[in-house]
Order: sequence, then structure tokens, then C-alpha cells
Amino acid sequence: DAGITQSPRHKVTETGTPVTLRCHQTENHRYMYWYRQDPGHGLRLIHYSYGVKDTDKGEVSDGYSVSRSKTEDFLLTLESATSSQTSVYFCATVMGTDSYEQYFGPGTRLTVT
Amino acid sequence: AQSVAQPEDQVNVAEGNPLTVKCTYSVSGNPYLFWYVQYPNRGLQFLLKYITGDNLVKGSYGFEAEFNKSQTSFHLKKPSALVSDSALYFCAVRDPTGGGNKLTFGTGTQLKVEL
Repeated sequence: DAGITQSPRHKVTETGTPVTLRCHQTENHRYMYWYRQDPGHGLRLIHYSYGVKDTDKGEVSDGYSVSRSKTEDFLLTLESATSSQTSVYFCATVMGTDSYEQYFGPGTRLTVT
Repeated sequence: AQSVAQPEDQVNVAEGNPLTVKCTYSVSGNPYLFWYVQYPNRGLQFLLKYITGDNLVKGSYGFEAEFNKSQTSFHLKKPSALVSDSALYFCAVRDPTGGGNKLTFGTGTQLKVEL
């Protein structure tokens, strides 16, 4: 258990509205990741962070921004939500400095109408 | 760029029979490979990994995976399937470039174990 929580767990929003998803971890892990999961695509990396205020883009970063002002929180923002961003969003982290496997949060189901 | 292929969208197997979920990879350098399982409405759970060493890797819940460098494969196996093994399985490979410990996932294989 990597001690990851995500909020909200479910959200319905309208096209054009801003949305922020939160990932919170309690174990001081350095790396944090945001993925989206869509049928037929598996998981695709949106953004990741390798420390406070250190972030970088992933495979599908267009339309998304992130912030990490504290070690424990990694925020994903959809500046102006679109229907193509309807998805399940997962946060993940790596436990320890000698590990490579990622551990995932429970996910946030986002529907953009 | 690295990639992972899971050629079967779904695998059906009878309880008690052996199961195999296939994965092939493409990556420069030495591969770091992973298997994850996802139960309905849950996050992904780590099953096992291959970094180096023995080609047969043992993991959680009785699963194992066989690394084959010549065939660039990393198939997930279990000698005797259980109905409770029914879930979505993902193979992943670590990106060897750019840091960040990033993973690239396959599209997933739905395993259905029937009585």
C-alpha cells in the first residue's frame, strides 16, 4: 500500500469548465504520476513529477497541467474540460529510491458532458 | 521509443487449467518489465517485475512470468487458474531514457476464468 488517495472519486462536469483532481500521498515519495485509462488504450501517462515544483510532460499532456507545491500533493488540472477528456484518471508513485515499480491510487472517474 | 504489445484482448480458461497472458516488448538496452492486475473499479496492483537475473520471475497470488530475450517476450503464467483471477492484466516496460522512472503500458488483456 503506497498510501495514495485521490479526490474526488467521481465527478461529472460540463464542457468548458475547469476541473482539478487531487492526488495525495502520505509517505514522502519523490516520484508521482498521472495517467488516464481508456478502453483500447491501456494507461497513458499525462504528466509526472520528480520532486516539488519539478514536473514534466508525458505522452498525452495536451489540455492538462499539473502542479506540485508540496511533496504529498500532485494536482491535475483540466483548464477547459472537453468530452474527449472523459476517462478514468489514476495517480501513481514509486516507493523508495531503489524501486522501479509504480503503485496506484484508486482512480477518479471523470465524465465531461 | 519503447513499446509493449498484448496481442490478446481476452483470454478464457477453465478453473484449474494453466493460464498464459502474452506480452512482447520493444526497448533499447536492458528491459525492465512489469505485470499489473486490475479488478473492477479498482486501481492497478503490482504483480511482479523482471529487472535482471533468473528468467522465471515469481510474484503475488501464485503468478509467475517468463522473460525470453530472444523472443522479446514476458508472458504471465499461472499453473492452476482460479475464478478469482478473472481481471484485467497489463504488461509494462520502463522507459530507459530521460529519467523519471516512466512506464509504458500495453492495452491490457481481460482474463476470464470459468468453472
